[in-house]
Amino acid sequence: ILNVEQSPQSLHVQEGDSTNFTCSFPSSNFYALHWYRWETAKSPEALFVMTLNGDEKKKGRISATLNTKEGYSYLYIKGSQPEDSATYLCAFGTNSGYALNFGKGTSLLVTP
Amino acid sequence: EAGVTQSPTHLIKTRGQQVTLRCSPISGHTSVYWYQQALGLGLQFLLWYDEGEERNRGNFPPRFSGRQFPNYSSELNVNALELEDSALYLCASLRGLKNTEAFFGQGTRLTVV
Repeated sequence: ILNVEQSPQSLHVQEGDSTNFTCSFPSSNFYALHWYRWETAKSPEALFVMTLNGDEKKKGRISATLNTKEGYSYLYIKGSQPEDSATYLCAFGTNSGYALNFGKGTSLLVTP
Repeated sequence: EAGVTQSPTHLIKTRGQQVTLRCSPISGHTSVYWYQQALGLGLQFLLWYDEGEERNRGNFPPRFSGRQFPNYSSELNVNALELEDSALYLCASLRGLKNTEAFFGQGTRLTVV
């Protein structure tokens, strides 16, 4: 089991604020880093899968970066909206037999 | 294209009983992961099946077991249920490699009384 750490544990921002979360993972045997959004009463949905050091991906107001050498990824949300309220999970996969391991997530609440 | 389906959606069992949870992956996906989310905890990795083989298991006792069938569907079995097994059990399927996104089912909510 490989530890994936996410911070902060929870976040409460006002509508329109920009915010970011951190995912830290072991830098050895890196294969892929995933970000998921998990809304209440729904299933987690993939946001990004990144594999290369320096990767930057964007989907609307959400973007992510990846640093495999130092073992971290950032998720950014620009101009947060109430519908962005969810738990954001990152997951780390190695190129060995280890499974896809998830962090505990960052719970985001955006209030109008 | 049908998504990942899990059954049942809810289940209530008595301590000591056995339970079987089922997962049908997206067509063409060969890899199935099982996760447990107990109250207040994150997604804890349980089991990983790929091409019919168990590839890895998480830090859970042997009474948690499963299998993957030739059509890539999967079962999770839990024997001798304990109260702390009460949780949401999620199944996810991938096309095969960990550099592709995981698609999750809606989960099975298990309550042990």
